Amino acid sequence: GAVVSQHPSWVICKSGTSVKIECRSLDFQATTMFWYRQFPKQSLMLMATSNEGSKATYEQGVEKDKFLINHASLTLSTLTVTSAHPEDSSFYICSATGTTKTDTQYFGPGTRLTVL
Amino acid sequence: QKEVEQNSGPLSVPEGAIASLNCTYSDRGSQSFFWYRQYSGKSPELIMSIYSNGDKEDGRFTAQLNKASQYVSLLIRDSQPSDSATYLCAVNRNNNDMRFGAGTRLTVKP
Repeated sequence: GAVVSQHPSWVICKSGTSVKIECRSLDFQATTMFWYRQFPKQSLMLMATSNEGSKATYEQGVEKDKFLINHASLTLSTLTVTSAHPEDSSFYICSATGTTKTDTQYFGPGTRLTVL
Repeated sequence: QKEVEQNSGPLSVPEGAIASLNCTYSDRGSQSFFWYRQYSGKSPELIMSIYSNGDKEDGRFTAQLNKASQYVSLLIRDSQPSDSATYLCAVNRNNNDMRFGAGTRLTVKP
């Protein structure tokens, strides 16, 4: 149980384009979803927290107009990187907490974004 | 002081030995504690959670919690090369306010 999927697993795009990443909870309802970014050999960095039907809460220093988060249902959240640039190249990972074990985060497999 | 502190390592142990990973946290009101394992290039996977003082065992893994000392540890018995990974300590201060340590890199040498 508690399986989280992400799509795509990797994406390469040109500078200036937008990229959408999907995060789905497959066997539970995710009341809260989290988006993290991780650069090579560095620790997880929380970007934002989103609750279903509400606006996401962004961490300090994360541009909400650049990283658009939509948590439209209890099983789906999306992260759109708008006007991507090479410095946005990173490993993006989502996690989710459910309606029962609300304090445990289950991670998706991650999406590796490369911006050329 | 960081909210969750771990030695970055690398921690190197021979195969079959016990690996001991440590973590301290700053918020005395923290309620739940987690260990995640992250292989290189992969996302974190949950190993164990612990809520009460004392030990909790799951197979070769034992989590230890001491709230008075604000200390959490993970012991891995009979370490295997496949245990080589970065281990993340996570502390939940209240619902959905989870803080991660920077992780300890463990290498188990055959």
